Amino acid sequence: SQELEQSPQSLIVQEGKNLTINCTSSKTLYGLYWYKQKYGEGLIFLMMLQKGGEEKSHEKITAKLDEKKQQSSLHITASQPSHAGIYLCGAVYSGGYQKVTFGIGTKLQVIP
Amino acid sequence: EAGVTQFPSHSVIEKGQTVTLRCDPISGHDNLYWYRRVMGKEIKFLLHFVKESKQDESGMPNNRFLAERTGGTYSTLKVQPAELEDSGVYFCASSQQGTYGYTFGSGTRLTVV
Repeated sequence: SQELEQSPQSLIVQEGKNLTINCTSSKTLYGLYWYKQKYGEGLIFLMMLQKGGEEKSHEKITAKLDEKKQQSSLHITASQPSHAGIYLCGAVYSGGYQKVTFGIGTKLQVIP
Repeated sequence: EAGVTQFPSHSVIEKGQTVTLRCDPISGHDNLYWYRRVMGKEIKFLLHFVKESKQDESGMPNNRFLAERTGGTYSTLKVQPAELEDSGVYFCASSQQGTYGYTFGSGTRLTVV
């Protein structure tokens, strides 16, 4: 089984709707990254959640880290076409943030 | 500030040939990473340089892959000889020492036929 399970793998939502992407680790997390990728481009850093049950927001995107469940959720409020892309969670399992284990990714489509 | 630059953006080679991918990190970034995404799979860590030294190369698939970082600046990843299973997108990322949140390049899409 994978160390980092991300769900759903694909999501189609209508513009204006809210959505949530989940990422669950089978090992104890030291930190959790969220990245976004558009086709043909590199990964864009969204935010990082550190050990201790953090919650961060950037514009209409909020991410939380549930330390007890070793799970993170990414929530987009009032989705827009510009939110479309592949969202990836990445886990760090030890201090130093040197190596990231990525989930499979969630492909998000936003229909106008 | 210029981002992480990778080239070529695409490469198609025949099985058994050699290919060299290049990554230019952001100036001043001591940390440089290589990752790879094979179709349908997760992005996997390959290796990590701190300046010119290999800090962690635990993700390198086998000895057909050779990474170098001359003078702690740009890095190359050579695959010799290439096999079909080496096809995928190779990403490079860099970061400053003591910070988090790498900056990724756009990737090199390698196709081995």
